Amino acid sequence: DTGVSQDPRHKITKRGQNVTFRCDPISEHNRLYWYRQTLGQGPEFLTYFQNEAQLEKSRLLSDRFSAERPKGSFSTLEIQRTEQGDSAMYLCASSLGGGAADTQYFGPGTRLTVL
Amino acid sequence: KNEVEQSPQNLTAQEGEFITINCSYSVGISALHWLQQHPGGGIVSLFMLSSGKKKHGRLIATINIQEKHSSLHITASHPRDSAVYICAVRGGNLIFGKGTKLSVKP
Repeated sequence: DTGVSQDPRHKITKRGQNVTFRCDPISEHNRLYWYRQTLGQGPEFLTYFQNEAQLEKSRLLSDRFSAERPKGSFSTLEIQRTEQGDSAMYLCASSLGGGAADTQYFGPGTRLTVL
Repeated sequence: KNEVEQSPQNLTAQEGEFITINCSYSVGISALHWLQQHPGGGIVSLFMLSSGKKKHGRLIATINIQEKHSSLHITASHPRDSAVYICAVRGGNLIFGKGTKLSVKP
């Protein structure tokens, strides 16, 4: 257990439905990252927050995806009008800050299956 | 071509064998991470290095910045080492390799 938690661990939904995932980082960590991992691939960067500010978004993050970190603590990732291609593991990580010495601590992930 | 390439993709070893997993990258980096991912998704950071060599228990990680190459070695491998090992490099954000799936048989 790294101290980063994600909820739910698994989500099965029908195409077209909206889903929301939650990530609770390690409490003193000011950076929070979202990644997506498909089967047989390494994780891919989606977005990250420094406190409550969303500083960078990948082009993978289409307009159906939105992420928030309203109080600089937990974060949510919402996918609207889900598509079968959204099926993946969604990973959250947190860290103390940027720079080369920054170590990210990963949560267990939320596995999304879109039917 | 991926910016981070790992080899081999899959590796099966007998308990006790010495294991090497390789990582080559094509971008400028400030650090390289080795991560371990168990079935079910949980990722654990094993090493972060920007030069030289680090050792933790039976795990050794080396990096050659000039050659843009890193290796992860496991000595006296054990079935509990079975996992996917992922190399990730930090340029701006982390860029991950596809991982090497290791199975250690008793």
